[in-house]
Amino acid sequence: KNEVEQSPQNLTAQEGEFITINCSYSVGISALHWLQQHPGGGIVSLFMLSSGKKKHGRLIATINIQEKHSSLHITASHPRDSAVYICAVGKGSNYKLTFGKGTLLTVNP
Amino acid sequence: NAGVTQTPKFQVLKTGQSMTLQCAQDMNHEYMSWYRQDPGMGLRLIHYSVGAGITDQGEVPNGYNVSRSTTEDFPLRLLSAAPSQTSVYFCASSLSGGPRNEQFFGPGTRLTVL
Repeated sequence: KNEVEQSPQNLTAQEGEFITINCSYSVGISALHWLQQHPGGGIVSLFMLSSGKKKHGRLIATINIQEKHSSLHITASHPRDSAVYICAVGKGSNYKLTFGKGTLLTVNP
Repeated sequence: NAGVTQTPKFQVLKTGQSMTLQCAQDMNHEYMSWYRQDPGMGLRLIHYSVGAGITDQGEVPNGYNVSRSTTEDFPLRLLSAAPSQTSVYFCASSLSGGPRNEQFFGPGTRLTVL
């Protein structure tokens, strides 16, 4: 079993829909990252979470440490949100991050 | 600031050739790392550096060498390219090591080994 599991693998939505992408992990962590990768593009950091919830524009990220689970929500989705969303976790003070396989989101107009 | 830059963007090699992928950052970040991204897999760490003169192996280091002579530069060398090294390579940096630091990624290098 991978240390970091994302669901769903693929997600297709209509513009304006509320999107949820999930990330579950199997070990204790000190931080969780959400990243965005547009097709053929580079990778951009969206959030770093160690507890609670963060919001940036239409994006909201939550984490439940006890349940070892995080969600990334996109409100009022737009075609420009189409991208791969990647979850990554870090343990203790270890430099290394462990990455999920990503969720491919397609938002149709 | 240019952020993290990588060259080249694309490269085709023949089996057995060697080459160096360049990575530079202008943010005075201590921590730099190299990842490879393959279809159906998460990013995997090849090598990392916590400062000039200090490097260490990641998850998949075989066939790759790194050095860190300056804070800014972290080149990745393929010693004798193999088809299994066909991948997209990303360089990343952060202010310091540790999982709570924001990671800044370069635009990637798409490498094909024939």
